[in-house]
Amino acid sequence: EPEVTQTPSHQVTQMGQEVILRCVPISNHLYFYWYRQILGQKVEFLVSFYNNEISEKSEIFDDQFSVERPDGSNFTLKIRSTKLEDSAMYFCASRPGVGVWGTDTQYFGPGTRLTVL
Amino acid sequence: DAKTTQPNSMESNEEEPVHLPCNHSTISGTDYIHWYRQLPSQGPEYVIHGLTSNVNNRMASLAIAEDRKSSTLILHRATLRDAAVYYCILRDAQETSGSRLTFGEGTQLTVNP
Repeated sequence: EPEVTQTPSHQVTQMGQEVILRCVPISNHLYFYWYRQILGQKVEFLVSFYNNEISEKSEIFDDQFSVERPDGSNFTLKIRSTKLEDSAMYFCASRPGVGVWGTDTQYFGPGTRLTVL
Repeated sequence: DAKTTQPNSMESNEEEPVHLPCNHSTISGTDYIHWYRQLPSQGPEYVIHGLTSNVNNRMASLAIAEDRKSSTLILHRATLRDAAVYYCILRDAQETSGSRLTFGEGTQLTVNP
């Protein structure tokens, strides 16, 4: 069964450094997402991406964050200058984008644990 | 997305049925009811969704109240692998933006051997 993959599984970085989290969504999916989950807290939406542009972003997704689909398979999240509070699990998700709105299913990757020291 | 209310935690014994409730009294006519779950140290996983009628799939059943103000996710025979946080989420069929999922606290299901 196709699945969303994410690399690396764990990233440790120093505060102020740039990190890029990588995701390979399911191949025929059209919509892509990043969510994050701070330890012990809820899963929070960051951004959605469709047709090579951001379709929606949350208030968390400020100028320090950017997303890109550099080729036909990868979807990346970049954090330009990491802060301690960026430490979290980051989940990528994708969905087909067909069918009735509201019936869409999002498929999540296993996550990247980002630790900012 | 309209708000849902779930118990913080529930407990079950292995191989017994589990009924996970969700209240969504402000649901609109175009909201679909989705359930996701998150196993320990994993990403969320789709379980089931429905609009008005009860639904069954290989993972679970979804029972929807006639007034649609509540629903129940039914695991027919809980296994240890079903121990997870279960999220009830409403998705608007009229929404044409990025269609984010809004996760609440969910219900932490513990399955006892």
